[in-house]
Amino acid sequence: EVQLVESGGGLVKPGGSLRLSCAASGFTFSSYSMNWFRQAPGKGLGWVSSIGSSSNYIYYADSVKGRFTISRDNAKNSLYLQMNSLRAEDTAVYYCARVGNSGTYRDYWGQGTLVTVSS
Amino acid sequence: QSVLTQPPSVSAAPGQKVTISCSGSSSNIGNNYVSWYQQFPGTAPKLLIYDNNKRPSGIPDRFSGSKSGTSATLGITGLQTGDEADYYCGTWDSSLSAEVFGGGTKLTVL
Repeated sequence: EVQLVESGGGLVKPGGSLRLSCAASGFTFSSYSMNWFRQAPGKGLGWVSSIGSSSNYIYYADSVKGRFTISRDNAKNSLYLQMNSLRAEDTAVYYCARVGNSGTYRDYWGQGTLVTVSS
Repeated sequence: QSVLTQPPSVSAAPGQKVTISCSGSSSNIGNNYVSWYQQFPGTAPKLLIYDNNKRPSGIPDRFSGSKSGTSATLGITGLQTGDEADYYCGTWDSSLSAEVFGGGTKLTVL
């Protein structure tokens, strides 16, 4: 069974940092590209970042470019999101998601971890 | 403001059919595959339709997808109260180099 479990969320002050983790199991993690998405309270889905299966490509949404860093450790079946210079508008539930075989959809999502940026 | 446009809400009676539209442009829907996601309150999105009209295993054939030009549509037949959820369309935008979504549509089964 495919499982994605996020962790690392919490309350942080503006300008602070957090590192999110996503532990994958039930599939060959090293064969799949992965994404981070977020959803602000009461709002819709927003794409944050993408990484290729061997970190061969990395993309970011303009809103987080230069502040967030996506990475992965295929030996540990884990995906990460380092978030620096956090702002109030980064407050959201953050989801990791697996990219489907054709690369055009996300077939499995984690349960999400809440990041709250507030003083 | 979302790149893709969905109606904020739709409603229909149990057993009836409903469609949810998703409108975009040539840089997104017009030239890329569309996927649809179902999300219940407090839970993660779940893939419902991919590559415009394909259903993952386990998704009932009551759910269908189609695409024409720069618009896509999700159809749900034989509505059940358990279908009450938010539905999102998503695709890649080649101009923005970003995955984009609609603002979501809340389905109410009256």
